[in-house]
Amino acid sequence: KAGVTQTPRYLIKTRGQQVTLSCSPISGHRSVSWYQQTPGQGLQFLFEYFSETQRNKGNFPGRFSGRQFSNSRSEMNVSTLELGDSALYLCASREGRANTDTQYFGPGTRLTVL
Amino acid sequence: GQQVMQIPQYQHVQEGEDFTTYCNSSTTLSNIQWYKQRPGGHPVFLIQLVKSGEVKKQKRLTFQFGEAKKNSSLHITATQTTDVGTYFCAPDRYGNKLVFGAGTILRVKS
Repeated sequence: KAGVTQTPRYLIKTRGQQVTLSCSPISGHRSVSWYQQTPGQGLQFLFEYFSETQRNKGNFPGRFSGRQFSNSRSEMNVSTLELGDSALYLCASREGRANTDTQYFGPGTRLTVL
Repeated sequence: GQQVMQIPQYQHVQEGEDFTTYCNSSTTLSNIQWYKQRPGGHPVFLIQLVKSGEVKKQKRLTFQFGEAKKNSSLHITATQTTDVGTYFCAPDRYGNKLVFGAGTILRVKS
């Protein structure tokens, strides 16, 4: 099976702009989670989607949003970008929502905000 | 909320030396997962521990889950340059969120 794919891999934006990142999970996986990784804060959970519904949300401002489509593909959107949003955004998929399910990460999208 | 502490933050070892990272929780866990992230890469699942006192081995890597299920460790015997990266623990989901430890960065001098 193909792994988790994320597009684009790299992105440069300026403050105030908005950005949309895309994630295609492993075939058959219905859960998609998003994480922000920065050197200072480590891996921070953003949100999780399962069957097109947001199931959990981390402690991020409302500028961060997401959605999931019927084919399980997911997008996350960040509006009104700030310098501090520069980070590696990782998407992870898993088959279900059992706490023993393994998460498989995509390669990430490296976002730079200037 | 659930707190997890991972130590050390950083370790620089000579190739051939052993390495251990620890993950400590303030609450009892139902399970814990370990991930490795190579420099410039993404986290890759290594193993999951579920049972109290469980020990699992993967070649030179030994994973342990404490008897009280509040701590876990990852031990690498005779490190190699290919072991370089950041090792994360991820205890069971709190509110069904996968919470990661801060990670231990391992550097290996050859």
